[in-house]
Amino acid sequence: DVKVTQSSRYLVKRTGEKVFLECVQDMDHENMFWYRQDPGLGLRLIYFSYDVKMKEKGDIPEGYSVSREKKERFSLILESASTNQTSMYLCASSRARTNEKLFFGSGTQLSVL
Amino acid sequence: GQNIDQPTEMTATEGAIVQINCTYQTSGFNGLFWYQQHAGEAPTFLSYNVLDGLEEKGRFSSFLSRSKGYSYLLLKELQMKDSASYLCVPSGGYNKLIFGAGTRLAVHP
Repeated sequence: DVKVTQSSRYLVKRTGEKVFLECVQDMDHENMFWYRQDPGLGLRLIYFSYDVKMKEKGDIPEGYSVSREKKERFSLILESASTNQTSMYLCASSRARTNEKLFFGSGTQLSVL
Repeated sequence: GQNIDQPTEMTATEGAIVQINCTYQTSGFNGLFWYQQHAGEAPTFLSYNVLDGLEEKGRFSSFLSRSKGYSYLLLKELQMKDSASYLCVPSGGYNKLIFGAGTRLAVHP
């Protein structure tokens, strides 16, 4: 089975801090994604990557950046965390074919105080 | 525009059958996924429909009508562990999945 691992399950940061969320997948998937999920809302796509060093903005990229230096690793960076970035962050990966299912990590609940 | 409409909450009894309906509007359509998400956990894949009709997979079945913009997920022989949120996720194109808030299903003894 595909395993998508997120480095932290819970994270508490202060406003203005730089925050790194790490995600690693072990099935050689080309595509990797970062979503955030807030109560009462669907998952919203922040960024995705379809290859090493390639990235595409999703629906809500403001305040975030990403890095994909190796195929198995996709990092989400909050340059200066703000309270409205308190959320559940989900990483996912998939093969590079049309409508391949996503495999999700277990999520990081980030609280920005 | 893009829109997904499914009930916010449903309740059902252990052993029963429940149908979760979903209507959607997307600019472009490339198939529809259903995901299950237990509280505090990540979504997991349940089914995928790209052609009209019913796809059956054990206790779960999913139906799609592309012309009506309609899908449903049918859960049979409900178990307590089926208490979860069910996400109807149409695909508007390559890497363009559209997630709604989902339907929270509570299964009671």
